[in-house]
Amino acid sequence: GESVGLHLPTLSVQEGDNSIINCAYSNSASDYFIWYKQESGKGPQFIIDIRSNMDKRQGQRVTVLLNKTVKHLSLQIAATQPGDSAVYFCAEISGGSNYKLTFGKGTLLTVNP
Amino acid sequence: DVKVTQSSRYLVKRTGEKVFLECVQDMDHENMFWYRQDPGLGLRLIYFSYDVKMKEKGDIPEGYSVSREKKERFSLILESASTNQTSMYLCASSLIPQTNYGYTFGSGTRLTVV
Repeated sequence: GESVGLHLPTLSVQEGDNSIINCAYSNSASDYFIWYKQESGKGPQFIIDIRSNMDKRQGQRVTVLLNKTVKHLSLQIAATQPGDSAVYFCAEISGGSNYKLTFGKGTLLTVNP
Repeated sequence: DVKVTQSSRYLVKRTGEKVFLECVQDMDHENMFWYRQDPGLGLRLIYFSYDVKMKEKGDIPEGYSVSREKKERFSLILESASTNQTSMYLCASSLIPQTNYGYTFGSGTRLTVV
């Protein structure tokens, strides 16, 4: 079936380094993608989104890249801080379902001081 | 500040009990969702509702039911709790047709069935 997955379940980086979290999706009809951050004991929080007619979008310290050719999504975090330590999920909405998200399994990012 | 509020952070219930998990949103969102989150399995959709009194099954509806009598409230019901329903339950809401900013999630309810 259709799925959204992650290449790596865990990622450990040094404070100040840049982090890259990857996500592969299988539904070529997906037209909207979102990255969520989930800190321990909390619900997921929106970070950044991107639509399928774009290949890059930047926010504050975060950039999402979309490569539709290989169905790959990445989240880049610049100058990673200890407060960035969390589980990061990618999620997609496929065409025909404007409101139902499919989530990846998540990547645990650990930032070492 | 917009919110999705889940009534309990932690619950402990006995096998066979009927369990109600409540979720309230103050954003006038049409869509509401219940997910469960388990290590290694990510978020899995149990049920969702796109309007009052409307509901649709998600990917893992077995053992669960839902109720949406008012727009702001979406309840998840475990008819007869079992130990394999021990999990983190997350409620979310969103607008239609476009989900700008995706879902807004509650803080979750960690349910333990003993």
